Amino acid sequence: QKEVEQNSGPLSVPEGAIASLNCTYSDRGSQSFFWYRQYSGKSPELIMSIYSNGDKEDGRFTAQLNKASQYVSLLIRDSQPSDSATYLCAVKQNRGSTLGRLYFGRGTQLTVWP
Amino acid sequence: DAGVIQSPRHEVTEMGQEVTLRCKPISGHNSLFWYRQTMMRGLELLIYFNNNVPIDDSGMPEDRFSAKMPNASFSTLKIQPSEPRDSAVYFCASSLGQGGSTGELFFGEGSRLTVL
Repeated sequence: QKEVEQNSGPLSVPEGAIASLNCTYSDRGSQSFFWYRQYSGKSPELIMSIYSNGDKEDGRFTAQLNKASQYVSLLIRDSQPSDSATYLCAVKQNRGSTLGRLYFGRGTQLTVWP
Repeated sequence: DAGVIQSPRHEVTEMGQEVTLRCKPISGHNSLFWYRQTMMRGLELLIYFNNNVPIDDSGMPEDRFSAKMPNASFSTLKIQPSEPRDSAVYFCASSLGQGGSTGELFFGEGSRLTVL
């Protein structure tokens, strides 16, 4: 079982719609969760972090965490064409020899069409 | 401020040749990571250093790969001999704290390696 799993997409939404990106993880002891955005041909950049159950909002972005279900999601409201990118879910391990290590999902490709 | 600096940006080489990728982390960051990204496998951690010491190299695929960090401002990833399956984008990233304890990694622009 992969540490972090995401639907690879592609996910295609019209401009102005809500884009919903999902991620599940295998290590129940994980405490820290992150969303990175990667534009085509560029490097990943951190856009959201979440540490406790519930929702965390930052502008048009909302991260949601449910540790019981081992599920993390990212909602993008009022999606814009500039949001078109690959979104990577990352989970920080907090056990044993992999303490502190970030595991990335393979990413979900999002396209927002005008 | 300068970000993470990687070189070369692009490298095309023939199978069997030695490849050396270089990275300069952000000044003051004490953790450095080497990742490899491919379409098939996504972003994979190869090795990470904390305070110049290798902490976790379990992702290094085989003995053909080696990494060094002789000082806080420089790291290399070497592949010898290179093989076509090593073709990928190699990212270097740095962060504050051990293992990127904040979870915020700052990535370089990557080195795109093609092995013919």
